[in-house]
Amino acid sequence: DTGVSQDPRHKITKRGQNVTFRCDPISEHNRLYWYRQTLGQGPEFLTYFQNEAQLEKSRLLSDRFSAERPKGSFSTLEIQRTEQGDSAMYLCASSGGNPYNSPLHFGNGTRLTVT
Amino acid sequence: AQSVTQLDSHVSVSEGTPVLLRCNYSSSYSPSLFWYVQHPNKGLQLLLKYTSAATLVKGINGFEAEFKKSETSFHLTKPSAHMSDAAEYFCVVIDNYGQNFVFGPGTRLSVLP
Repeated sequence: DTGVSQDPRHKITKRGQNVTFRCDPISEHNRLYWYRQTLGQGPEFLTYFQNEAQLEKSRLLSDRFSAERPKGSFSTLEIQRTEQGDSAMYLCASSGGNPYNSPLHFGNGTRLTVT
Repeated sequence: AQSVTQLDSHVSVSEGTPVLLRCNYSSSYSPSLFWYVQHPNKGLQLLLKYTSAATLVKGINGFEAEFKKSETSFHLTKPSAHMSDAAEYFCVVIDNYGQNFVFGPGTRLSVLP
């Protein structure tokens, strides 16, 4: 168990550019989650995968955001035409076992700064 | 829909004194509840979880939480605070589809020497 890893740790981009983040979950976990956290707030749910299927997507997620998990292993989160309001910490988490009581295991996050 | 309220945005205690971080949840069924801790510039770490077994749950680093259905509460306690406990604490409830973990706004714990 090497834990959940996210890449990059930090990303600085100019407004209007596209960015892509990667998450590698714990290998035996079939569920993968993306969250966004801004300063002083709790993590906010973005989207959820079970294996390669994206089962839920937050209504707060605009069309500029897209996530994939093509082979049910790693996942990518892309933000197109970034805006300053997208500046936040993007957290990935994975989980296995019973979906009603198994905890999330988080990576260290990708901090995005849009200038 | 499930929701979580953390009544205090900031709690300050002296080292060696008890800690109480309050959490109330809203759920239409018997929920699973978690407490996570986030140290500055670090990832979220699971402290403990409640999943309808014993109502008093013991976690890491001496923390405990008690599930009280009648009060819809899941308060986090520790008998004696340590400087290393200074961090942000999040109470979390899982939705009834097992698909979305709903986080509270967090409580920042400060420990004074």
